[in-house]
Amino acid sequence: KNEVEQSPQNLTAQEGEFITINCSYSVGISALHWLQQHPGGGIVSLFMLSSGKKKHGRLIATINIQEKHSSLHITASHPRDSAVYICAALYNTDKLIFGTGTRLQVFP
Amino acid sequence: EADIYQTPRYLVIGTGKKITLECSQTMGHDKMYWYQQDPGMELHLIHYSYGVNSTEKGDLSSESTVSRIRTEHFPLTLESARPSHTSQYLCASSEDYDRGYGYTFGSGTRLTVV
Repeated sequence: KNEVEQSPQNLTAQEGEFITINCSYSVGISALHWLQQHPGGGIVSLFMLSSGKKKHGRLIATINIQEKHSSLHITASHPRDSAVYICAALYNTDKLIFGTGTRLQVFP
Repeated sequence: EADIYQTPRYLVIGTGKKITLECSQTMGHDKMYWYQQDPGMELHLIHYSYGVNSTEKGDLSSESTVSRIRTEHFPLTLESARPSHTSQYLCASSEDYDRGYGYTFGSGTRLTVV
């Protein structure tokens, strides 16, 4: 059983919509990563957080340690945001467990 | 601008061939990783290294081998490629725990064995 669960698996949106992707994990972790994977396969690290909230441009990531839950929000979505977003839990300070990803498509 | 480089980007090769996937990073990270990702599936750790001359097998069993002779270089080798090895292979490196353990990923190598 995957110890990192993401929802939804697939998400479509119209340009400008507010988007939320959720991640739940079942083990005690050191930190949680949000990653973005483009169709070509390359991965970009968006956020690493262990508590609270981080913001970068139109992207916001939050984590609730007690509830073992994290969310990634995209404000004013744009077609270039279309990608797979992956949640990854870091445990033992150096091992990542990955979720299966959320495939986001934003249409103009 | 990428600080971790993987080559080749795409590779189609015949069964039985020996192949080496290259991964190099310029950040001086001690920790490096190889992940395997089948289409539409999550990434799985197949090898990792904590520094020069340190290599360990990951959570997913793999017939590949790795070496770490230099800090910046972490190549992965398949002695005899098979169609079951067809997958995407992603290399990553990370900083130490005390420095925030940020991860940097390469662009990946998409391997097809025919």
